[in-house]
Amino acid sequence: KNEVEQSPQNLTAQEGEFITINCSYSVGISALHWLQQHPGGGIVSLFMLSSGKKKHGRLIATINIQEKHSSLHITASHPRDSAVYICAVRGWSTDKLIFGTGTRLQVFP
Amino acid sequence: GAGVSQSPSNKVTEKGKDVELRCDPISGHTALYWYRQSLGQGLEFLIYFQGNSAPDKSGLPSDRFSAERTGGSVSTLTIQRTQQEDSAVYLCASSQSAKSPLHFGNGTRLTVT
Repeated sequence: KNEVEQSPQNLTAQEGEFITINCSYSVGISALHWLQQHPGGGIVSLFMLSSGKKKHGRLIATINIQEKHSSLHITASHPRDSAVYICAVRGWSTDKLIFGTGTRLQVFP
Repeated sequence: GAGVSQSPSNKVTEKGKDVELRCDPISGHTALYWYRQSLGQGLEFLIYFQGNSAPDKSGLPSDRFSAERTGGSVSTLTIQRTQQEDSAVYLCASSQSAKSPLHFGNGTRLTVT
């Protein structure tokens, strides 16, 4: 079993839909990252969080440390949101990141 | 401002040759990470630098892989006697500290023929 699990692996949506991507992890962490990777493109850091909730534009990230779970929400989704979304965690005793396998999102007009 | 720069962007090499990949982090960023992403796979950690030292080399796949960082800035990842399974996109990321958000380069796509 992977230390970081994401669901769903693939997600399709119609423009305007509310989207949720989930991340569960099994290790103690000091921080959790949400990353975005466009097809053929680089990786962009969306959020880094260790507790609570963060919002940036139409994106919201939440984390529940007790339940070892985080969610990334996209409100009013748009085709340009189509990308792979990756969850990564930093453990307490190490500074390296452990990555989930990603969620491939496609938003259709 | 300048982001993380990697070179070359693409590299095709013959099996058995050595290759050197370069990463220029954002100025002032003390933490530097190397990852790789094989086709259709997730990101795999290779090595992490804090300044010039590498506290965590646990992700290097074999002794053919090595990395160094000089002056707390530029880093090079060297792969000796390349094999076809080394083909991947090699990504570099930097951050102000180990506990700050990451900034990724666009990667070097390595193809071993």
